[in-house]
Amino acid sequence: KQEVTQIPAALSVPEGENLVLNCSFTDSAIYNLQWFRQDPGKGLTSLLLIQSSQREQTSGRLNASLDKSSGRSTLYIAASQPGDSATYLCAVGGGGSYIPTFGRGTSLIVHP
Amino acid sequence: DAGVIQSPRHEVTEMGQEVTLRCKPISGHNSLFWYRQTMMRGLELLIYFNNNVPIDDSGMPEDRFSAKMPNASFSTLKIQPSEPRDSAVYFCASSLRLAGVETQYFGPGTRLLVL
Repeated sequence: KQEVTQIPAALSVPEGENLVLNCSFTDSAIYNLQWFRQDPGKGLTSLLLIQSSQREQTSGRLNASLDKSSGRSTLYIAASQPGDSATYLCAVGGGGSYIPTFGRGTSLIVHP
Repeated sequence: DAGVIQSPRHEVTEMGQEVTLRCKPISGHNSLFWYRQTMMRGLELLIYFNNNVPIDDSGMPEDRFSAKMPNASFSTLKIQPSEPRDSAVYFCASSLRLAGVETQYFGPGTRLLVL
């Protein structure tokens, strides 16, 4: 059974810092990996999707990388802003269909 | 498109009552997922439909939970009878697999409190 772990569970940084969120998974036979953002009291919003054949995806200040062999993905946030404060979840899809396994998330606070 | 629509947004009920949660996926999407999120257990997949057919319901906690998808534009998740431990946020998500890419889109969730 796929297990997804996100470290750290919580992170507080000053505005402007570059930061890295980590996601690790136990079964490397994945279909894809998706990073989501969840604001308090809201649903999940997709940030980046990396297919198993890809190594990274970029969107604005966000860059996600994937290393299947080591079972790891990182989400890099450049020049963090208070508006980046949210919980970030990674979801790993595996097998013949996309049934994702979610991590518990990293709760990020960016203070001015 | 309005995105994934869920109703009600909030539900407070008493133990033993029947609860029905509703979801309208994004038009054209062929996969639908029901999730439950709690502080203790995080986000859990309850059931997954593809082309209106339940593919994986191994996450459904017990017989008190049932889900249906009578057509491509509507799904329900029913809890009967409800219990306090069912209190959680229930999310519906839909997706479309296109050229090997499949991105999930989540609804705003239904916050359920069972007293």
